[in-house]
Amino acid sequence: AQSVTQLGSHVSVSEGALVLLRCNYSSSVPPYLFWYVQYPNQGLQLLLKYTSAATLVKGINGFEAEFKKSETSFHLTKPSAHMSDAAEYFCAVSYPSGNTPLVFGKGTRLSVIA
Amino acid sequence: KAGVTQTPRYLIKTRGQQVTLSCSPISGHRSVSWYQQTPGQGLQFLFEYFSETQRNKGNFPGRFSGRQFSNSRSEMNVSTLELGDSALYLCASSWGATSTDTQYFGPGTRLTVL
Repeated sequence: AQSVTQLGSHVSVSEGALVLLRCNYSSSVPPYLFWYVQYPNQGLQLLLKYTSAATLVKGINGFEAEFKKSETSFHLTKPSAHMSDAAEYFCAVSYPSGNTPLVFGKGTRLSVIA
Repeated sequence: KAGVTQTPRYLIKTRGQQVTLSCSPISGHRSVSWYQQTPGQGLQFLFEYFSETQRNKGNFPGRFSGRQFSNSRSEMNVSTLELGDSALYLCASSWGATSTDTQYFGPGTRLTVL
């Protein structure tokens, strides 16, 4: 079965610093991969998604992620952190051919220090 | 276009009671999925409905059930509530298959079981 591992339940960065949130997946077939963000007391919002087209995916709010098959990774990055980026981030995987539901990682809480 | 709406937003129940949560998807979306979010277990898939048919079901006891109406609105029911059912219940809608289409999440219903 597919699974997702997010390294680091809590990441803290300074404002203006690089944001790097790690996600590794396990999949025997080409997956679809997603990053979602959740602000306090809100639902999840899609940041970006990989669907086997370009390996570098650009999303909203300046975030991007690169699909690396050899490393089974889909890390999320943003060049310069902003205070408003403080939230919980979730990586998720699905099998497009298997009609299976999304499987989410445990999440990474991002704190941004002024 | 209006987003996914969930009612009620907050709910307090006591053990042994039952509860019904409601979800209205984005207009035109035919698929509705439900997730349970807790600090310990993270986001766990409950079930998915597509055109009034349950298409996938997660690993939850039979006390958790759901249904979808012809207008795509969905309800989930939890009977004989237990303390461990306290969680944020999220509903997500998509146009087609949840394994390929982007899911749009509602703000959730916060259920507290006393």
